Amino acid sequence: GNSVTQMEGPVTLSEEAFLTINCTYTATGYPSLFWYVQYPGEGLQLLLKATKADDKGSNKGFEATYRKETTSFHLEKGSVQVSDSAVYFCALSLISNFGNEKLTFGTGTRLTIIP
Amino acid sequence: DVKVTQSSRYLVKRTGEKVFLECVQDMDHENMFWYRQDPGLGLRLIYFSYDVKMKEKGDIPEGYSVSREKKERFSLILESASTNQTSMYLCASGPDIVLPYEQYFGPGTRLTVT
Repeated sequence: GNSVTQMEGPVTLSEEAFLTINCTYTATGYPSLFWYVQYPGEGLQLLLKATKADDKGSNKGFEATYRKETTSFHLEKGSVQVSDSAVYFCALSLISNFGNEKLTFGTGTRLTIIP
Repeated sequence: DVKVTQSSRYLVKRTGEKVFLECVQDMDHENMFWYRQDPGLGLRLIYFSYDVKMKEKGDIPEGYSVSREKKERFSLILESASTNQTSMYLCASGPDIVLPYEQYFGPGTRLTVT
């Protein structure tokens, strides 16, 4: 079946550090890939997405590149801020049996940035 | 902005009670979803609906049912709550479009069953 594996947390970094959160996937077919972020006390919101191999999604200084050869979609940011503290979820979507899409999520990675 | 609202942020119920979690979206989306979120397990899909009065089982439907009588409202029902249903419940909605697909989430309901 389809699955998403992301690095275990929690991750703690100092402000302005470089961030990488690893994500790999298993899927039959060609999924779209997403990173969602959940800030404290809030629901998930889409951070970035990519729909085909070699696409790069970017938003708010975060980037992730769809790597088909390594089935990966690692999240990166060059200089993190305290406001980036949140839980990050990698996800994929594929057409379901009903012709619409379902999202499959990873387990989430809690990121804490220290001033 | 898309808005997905959930009826309660925190809920405490007793074992065996019938529990209703309500979700409303204001963007005329065809698709609506219920997930539960547990530490170390991420989000798991309970049920989803792609049209009024239509429902489909997700990955963990046991112990739950749903109702969608109106397009904007999707209810999750725990017929007889049990302690292993203590969790964060997230509702989401999404438009009926082809790739790529995005879902919009509510703030969640943290349910405790004692």
